[in-house]
Amino acid sequence: GDSVTQMEGPVTLSEEAFLTINCTYTATGYPSLFWYVQYPGEGLQLLLKATKADDKGSNKGFEATYRKETTSFHLEKGSVQVSDSAVYFCALSLMDSSYKLIFGSGTRLLVRP
Amino acid sequence: EAGVAQSPRYKIIEKRQSVAFWCNPISGHATLYWYQQILGQGPKLLIQFQNNGVVDDSQLPKDRFSAERLKGVDSTLKIQPAKLEDSAVYLCASSESRGIAQPQHFGDGTRLSIL
Repeated sequence: GDSVTQMEGPVTLSEEAFLTINCTYTATGYPSLFWYVQYPGEGLQLLLKATKADDKGSNKGFEATYRKETTSFHLEKGSVQVSDSAVYFCALSLMDSSYKLIFGSGTRLLVRP
Repeated sequence: EAGVAQSPRYKIIEKRQSVAFWCNPISGHATLYWYQQILGQGPKLLIQFQNNGVVDDSQLPKDRFSAERLKGVDSTLKIQPAKLEDSAVYLCASSESRGIAQPQHFGDGTRLSIL
């Protein structure tokens, strides 16, 4: 079935370090891909999205490129801040699945000052 | 614009009791989703409404879970009777309509603990 696999956390980085969180997917159709962020005690917020191959989504310094050939959508940021500490979820959405979001298990990021 | 409102924020009950959660979506949003997020996992869709009709409830445990959106606005999710494995955060989300381009906006969730 359709699924999303993320690298396990926690990922611990020092402030200003480079961030990569890996995400790969399996889908029967042609999905749209998303990254959501969840801060402690809050709901999920859409961080960025890409709807077709080679699209690059970007927001708040985060980027991810839709790679159809490797079925990946890795999240990157050049210089993380303490305020980026949160749980990051990769997700896909398919028209054939009523557009519901199928999430990965999440990756916790902890940024130390 | 006001976000998705959920209540209560926390609920503790004993197994076999019943519980209900309430969600008020963003004004004008036709599509409403309920997700279950078990600790350490990503959210999983339980049920999706388009206005007051059910679009997808394939992963809703219908022997114990029920949901309604009678007037196409706010929604209630009920569990009766609760089991230990129902301990989770229940998230409500809404979008203007169905479609890839429509972002889903999430509430802060209801954290349910079953004793």
